[in-house]
Amino acid sequence: SQTIHQWPATLVQPVGSPLSLECTVEGTSNPNLYWYRQAAGRGLQLLFYSVGIGQISSEVPQNLSASRPQDRQFILSSKKLLLSDSGFYLCASLAPGYTFGSGTRLTVV
Amino acid sequence: AQSVTQLDSHVSVSEGTPVLLRCNYSSSYSPSLFWYVQHPNKGLQLLLKYTSAATLVKGINGFEAEFKKSETSFHLTKPSAHMSDAAEYFCVASSGDYKLSFGAGTTVTVRA
Repeated sequence: SQTIHQWPATLVQPVGSPLSLECTVEGTSNPNLYWYRQAAGRGLQLLFYSVGIGQISSEVPQNLSASRPQDRQFILSSKKLLLSDSGFYLCASLAPGYTFGSGTRLTVV
Repeated sequence: AQSVTQLDSHVSVSEGTPVLLRCNYSSSYSPSLFWYVQHPNKGLQLLLKYTSAATLVKGINGFEAEFKKSETSFHLTKPSAHMSDAAEYFCVASSGDYKLSFGAGTTVTVRA
């Protein structure tokens, strides 16, 4: 079975600072990987997905980027955080069946 | 594009009473539908899923959901709530391209 490691659980960052959230997957090879975000009072929105190493698709224009340097590693980044980047970020894997990380609650101050 | 609407942002029930969490989906075809639960500081856990087989789906921990195409609904129920059911619940739809659409979530509190 798959396991997703996602850290940190909570993060408080100042506006304009960089961001790097990492997600690693165990127990499967070549999964589809996803980054979702939930803003306050809204459902989880798909930000990025990847079907393989170096392959990233963006679903919404934003201040964030994603990379997949290894098969089981998916990274969400920003060069300069905005207040609107605050939210709950969730990494997910599909291989087959969905597995979710425990999420990161980001507060930009 | 499909969307998922969870009709209640917060549901409060007494222990031992029934729980009903409402979900409607919008899609031009029958999607795969899921209910997930998230306890504080834990990952999302799959409760049950509908994939065009039986319309009444039984899940873990006594939960079940009924798919009603005419109403585009997939409501989650449990006959008797337990304190451990206090959590956030997400209704999720999956289209054929393996992307998930999440509802906004319903927070369930259980009173002793």
